[in-house]
Amino acid sequence: DAGVIQSPRHEVTEMGQEVTLRCKPISGHDYLFWYRQTMMRGLELLIYFNNNVPIDDSGMPEDRFSAKMPNASFSTLKIQPSEPRDSAVYFCASSFGGGVGDSPLHFGNGTRLTVT
Amino acid sequence: SQQGEEDPQALSIQEGENATMNCSYKTSINNLQWYRQNSGRGLVHLILIRSNEREKHSGRLRVTLDTSKKSSSLLITASRAADTASYFCATSGSRLTFGEGTQLTVNP
Repeated sequence: DAGVIQSPRHEVTEMGQEVTLRCKPISGHDYLFWYRQTMMRGLELLIYFNNNVPIDDSGMPEDRFSAKMPNASFSTLKIQPSEPRDSAVYFCASSFGGGVGDSPLHFGNGTRLTVT
Repeated sequence: SQQGEEDPQALSIQEGENATMNCSYKTSINNLQWYRQNSGRGLVHLILIRSNEREKHSGRLRVTLDTSKKSSSLLITASRAADTASYFCATSGSRLTFGEGTQLTVNP
């Protein structure tokens, strides 16, 4: 299995532009998570899906952020418009079975976003 | 806010020595997980210990959990330079929440 695949690995964009991050979870996994990592705030859970349905989006910072999971093999995190404070590493992770946190998470290698 | 807090924030040891990292948390948990993160990479799961377990082993890793003290420890025995990474605990309640991590450096 190729693991969780994220694209792009790096994204540099100007303030105000739309940014779309992509994730392909491990086949068969029924949970998908989006985390953001910064030096100041550590790892923050933004949103998670179960069977393609958003369950908890309370970590999404504001309306500029949106996430979708149109099918079991693809998810996107969109920021529109982007701001310099959105600069961070964004991780996608997936897991199988149990409830949230009852199974190990498998992380992608992240997308490093820089907004200038 | 972060549920788990690791201690120390940074640890530097010589190859062959043991490394111990601690995690404290505030509220009741279902289980606790430990992850490793190498620079520039995603987190990798190490061990999951359930709230009714007190100790768990995996290779050179030993994890303990004391629910009365709301704390856990990760012991890496006979450390290697390749163990250099950040180590995070994650606690499971309604969501999986990560601590801020311990940066471990193993010097050859």
